Amino acid sequence: DTGVSQDPRHKITKRGQNVTFRCDPISEHNRLYWYRQTLGQGPEFLTYFQNEAQLEKSRLLSDRFSAERPKGSFSTLEIQRTEQGDSAMYLCASSRVTGNYGYTFGSGTRLTVV
Amino acid sequence: AQTVTQSQPEMSVQEAETVTLSCTYDTSESNYYLFWYKQPPSRQMILVIRQEAYKQQNATENRFSVNFQKAAKSFSLKISDSQLGDTAMYFCAFGFNDMRFGAGTRLTVKP
Repeated sequence: DTGVSQDPRHKITKRGQNVTFRCDPISEHNRLYWYRQTLGQGPEFLTYFQNEAQLEKSRLLSDRFSAERPKGSFSTLEIQRTEQGDSAMYLCASSRVTGNYGYTFGSGTRLTVV
Repeated sequence: AQTVTQSQPEMSVQEAETVTLSCTYDTSESNYYLFWYKQPPSRQMILVIRQEAYKQQNATENRFSVNFQKAAKSFSLKISDSQLGDTAMYFCAFGFNDMRFGAGTRLTVKP
């Protein structure tokens, strides 16, 4: 297992366009998390899944954001009608069910909205 | 609300010396886990050390150790014998089902 993979590594898009990111977690990890990190800040929680069920979604998350994990394996995060304020690093992490051993993070997808 | 505060935005230490990074948090939960993560420049987040809130004994991982004070909701990280490779952003985090992170401390180890 090569760890948590995220694709693409970088994405530049024009304001108003839709973007989709993919995350492939460690295969035996049931939980998958999405975070957003802006420059000089810590990761901000967005949402997490246990298998295919989305168990929690941040109240800060705009309706323009949606995440799926259709078969309990990989996950996608879509941002519709992107805004400049969406520019950030989007981090995916995975863990075993309780997460008490900590998360394994991917390298992230850096989104730039121009 | 669950919050994490890292009051030291930047710190520096001489190689081979010891440095302590502070972290406080706020929660009404009684059962949770605490973590320190390291994020080297342009690289991914790596778990440094974890602590279970119900354990009084402080966790230790080689040169890294924590001082966990549950009543004070404090969770500091001590790095002994600092190495150049320790230069990174350090994030304190806690949670149970999902984690909340602090804003980070940028640590620079100087030769």
